Amino acid sequence: KAGVTQTPRYLIKTRGQQVTLSCSPISGHRSVSWYQQTPGQGLQFLFEYFSETQRNKGNFPGRFSGRQFSNSRSEMNVSTLELGDSALYLCASSVGRENSPLHFGNGTRLTVT
Amino acid sequence: SQQGEEDPQALSIQEGENATMNCSYKTSINNLQWYRQNSGRGLVHLILIRSNEREKHSGRLRVTLDTSKKSSSLLITASRAADTASYFCATDASNFGNEKLTFGTGTRLTIIP
Repeated sequence: KAGVTQTPRYLIKTRGQQVTLSCSPISGHRSVSWYQQTPGQGLQFLFEYFSETQRNKGNFPGRFSGRQFSNSRSEMNVSTLELGDSALYLCASSVGRENSPLHFGNGTRLTVT
Repeated sequence: SQQGEEDPQALSIQEGENATMNCSYKTSINNLQWYRQNSGRGLVHLILIRSNEREKHSGRLRVTLDTSKKSSSLLITASRAADTASYFCATDASNFGNEKLTFGTGTRLTIIP
């Protein structure tokens, strides 16, 4: 089975721009979660989608949004980028049931200048 | 915010020795999981222990969970150079199962050949 695929791998954007990151989950996985990882704040939960519905959301401003398509692929969007948005953005998929582990992609490294 | 605190923050040991990492958390949980992250890559799921379990083994890994103390430990026996990575505990206190994990601050483990 192919793993979780995130594109692009690296991204450089300017303050004020917007960005869209993409995630393809493992085949058959219906849950996709997004996390932000920074040296200062560590791993922070952004949101989770299951069958195209957002089930949970972390404490991030409305500039951060996401969606999931009928094939379980997911995108997250960050608008009006700030320097502090520079981070490794990780996507994870799972079957979405209790006690099922997360399978992570290798992330998208976003640098905002 | 992060629920878990891991101790120590960094650990260096000789190859062949055992490595022990500890994790403390704050709220009631459904399960606790351990993940490994190699530099700049995604996280890899290692082991999951449910709230009604006290100890679990997987290969060279041994995890314990004490819900009364809200703490867990990960023991890696007979360490190898390939075990060099950051290790994170993550707690699941969600309603549907793993739609929101709260990660600890991580322990950076270095195995000296």
